[in-house]
Amino acid sequence: DAGITQSPRHKVTETGTPVTLRCHQTENHRYMYWYRQDPGHGLRLIHYSYGVKDTDKGEVSDGYSVSRSKTEDFLLTLESATSSQTSVYFCAISEDYPSGQQYNTGELFFGEGSRLTVL
Amino acid sequence: AQSVAQPEDQVNVAEGNPLTVKCTYSVSGNPYLFWYVQYPNRGLQFLLKYITGDNLVKGSYGFEAEFNKSQTSFHLKKPSALVSDSALYFCAVRDRGSTLGRLYFGRGTQLTVWP
Repeated sequence: DAGITQSPRHKVTETGTPVTLRCHQTENHRYMYWYRQDPGHGLRLIHYSYGVKDTDKGEVSDGYSVSRSKTEDFLLTLESATSSQTSVYFCAISEDYPSGQQYNTGELFFGEGSRLTVL
Repeated sequence: AQSVAQPEDQVNVAEGNPLTVKCTYSVSGNPYLFWYVQYPNRGLQFLLKYITGDNLVKGSYGFEAEFNKSQTSFHLKKPSALVSDSALYFCAVRDRGSTLGRLYFGRGTQLTVWP
């Protein structure tokens, strides 16, 4: 299994409070992603990172921010949680493509998920 | 724009029978295609991928998938289903021209194999 740890695994919070989810990897991979999973929607990308301090928005980034100060850690922050952010959040990493290859053909490796409930 | 469709929310099959989970895709260029499986309260696990070459791809746990460019499909198959195959299956696609590795996922298909 890829070395990906998400914390906390479960959290219940109240509307309006800040929440930070942490993703920690031991694979030294360059690319990291935050997805959310909701019934009927599959997985949707929130933010992703392609290096330390290099991040960009995904398709559902409103209300979320991220930071990556070290290769191994990718933080997802909800500045003021809302009930619509109740979801299961997954961190993923992808392997760097080998030297000499133009494109990354590797699959994503996922963490075990963080279940967030906003009351 | 990239998108993936899994037309069936639920697939039910008897143990020992063949199973098929359908996936169609839309990408601007040539795709990389993936299948993932998710067991209850777990993360997604990689099953198989199509990059290039043979249209029939073999993966983990006896699963295989057939890439059909003309029908823009990538259906997941297994000749003989097991009860332990019961799980949520996701098809995913990425543009071959993307260097960032981000995937676009379908909504998932719940597979139930009954004894």
